[in-house]
Amino acid sequence: DTAVSQTPKYLVTQMGNDKSIKCEQNLGHDTMYWYKQDSKKFLKIMFSYNNKELIINETVPNRFSPKSPDKAHLNLHINSLELGDSAVYFCASSRTSGNEQFFGPGTRLTVL
Amino acid sequence: GESVGLHLPTLSVQEGDNSIINCAYSNSASDYFIWYKQESGKGPQFIIDIRSNMDKRQGQRVTVLLNKTVKHLSLQIAATQPGDSAVYFCAENQDSWGKLQFGAGTQVVVTP
Repeated sequence: DTAVSQTPKYLVTQMGNDKSIKCEQNLGHDTMYWYKQDSKKFLKIMFSYNNKELIINETVPNRFSPKSPDKAHLNLHINSLELGDSAVYFCASSRTSGNEQFFGPGTRLTVL
Repeated sequence: GESVGLHLPTLSVQEGDNSIINCAYSNSASDYFIWYKQESGKGPQFIIDIRSNMDKRQGQRVTVLLNKTVKHLSLQIAATQPGDSAVYFCAENQDSWGKLQFGAGTQVVVTP
């Protein structure tokens, strides 16, 4: 029954590792997003896909690569993890771009 | 565990009183504004939105006011309840692709 779901909820890993976070929405929305929330609770958009096409790509290190296999899924792969990547990552979706966004529960990433 | 030193602005409200949360936005061209509520350990949850052709919109116990002249947005919560304790974010939609710029957030603490 969850509208926007993410896995895993918690991810603890060593510097230098590669990891992926998965996101799925069952709302039939066309647009999906990835956000990063830092320790001060500041939320910043990273990427957005509309119907599997990248439409927003903020200034994010190219170690971060989003992938949308279909419009219900948007995954985030991170290479060579750094300490500064520690944050909570939120996936969101909206009916189309420019509409109300529904957020997932977040993935807390801790890089040691 | 939870991060320390968040330094979020905090609004302490007595249960039953009205709350007003303020937000200044940056882009005079933004045409869509949203208020989100984020409870501890959860993703942001939509509360209410307003388009730039309006200056007031009411929901259940919440009212959003938009003053485009001074680029100011406020959220009023009537008869604040303990369940209203959360961090509240304003967000402005900056383009047709759904790029949301979030404010810093305000921690609302409801005391009995």
